[in-house]
Amino acid sequence: GQSLEQPSEVTAVEGAIVQINCTYQTSGFYGLSWYQQHDGGAPTFLSYNGLDGLEETGRFSSFLSRSDSYGYLLLQELQMKDSASYFCAVRSGKLIFGQGTELSVKP
Amino acid sequence: KAGVTQTPRYLIKTRGQQVTLSCSPISGHRSVSWYQQTPGQGLQFLFEYFSETQRNKGNFPGRFSGRQFSNSRSEMNVSTLELGDSALYLCASSLLLQGPGELFFGEGSRLTVL
Repeated sequence: GQSLEQPSEVTAVEGAIVQINCTYQTSGFYGLSWYQQHDGGAPTFLSYNGLDGLEETGRFSSFLSRSDSYGYLLLQELQMKDSASYFCAVRSGKLIFGQGTELSVKP
Repeated sequence: KAGVTQTPRYLIKTRGQQVTLSCSPISGHRSVSWYQQTPGQGLQFLFEYFSETQRNKGNFPGRFSGRQFSNSRSEMNVSTLELGDSALYLCASSLLLQGPGELFFGEGSRLTVL
């Protein structure tokens, strides 16, 4: 089957750095994406990795290792507004999402 | 540029009824996909349309169906509603089919089945 595994919850303090891991097992692979969702609203795109390595976009970075079927999202200088659910997603024909990681940022 | 618009935003139905949800993609986007989201679950893929043709389908029963019109607007229908169909139904549009580009999501239609 096809599956993506990510932690269900992560807690961190304001100003800290947090890493959300994602491992995947899919029949095909055309890239790993990350999405953010606040309180059941519209998910918004954060980043995409099609090749191995690190992609940086402001405070957010995403990493991919295709040989390990693994990626992560790194959030730096955490702010309260970063409290949200974060989903990894793999393009394997259709776009398959993980279960989501709920990030709580404490003051 | 207007975003993805989904209607209705909220609706309440009873078991056995049917429901139709609508999605208007971003202008110029030809790919529309639908997802079901329930508490504690990720986004479960329902189907994906491009140029009025269903290109991919998820593992949902035949009660779930959809279509796409020539203007790229899409509808999904759920017949014979069950309590377990209560969920947030999200529509997303993109320029390309199965491309690496980002999906743009609507706010969703929150369905409650009583």
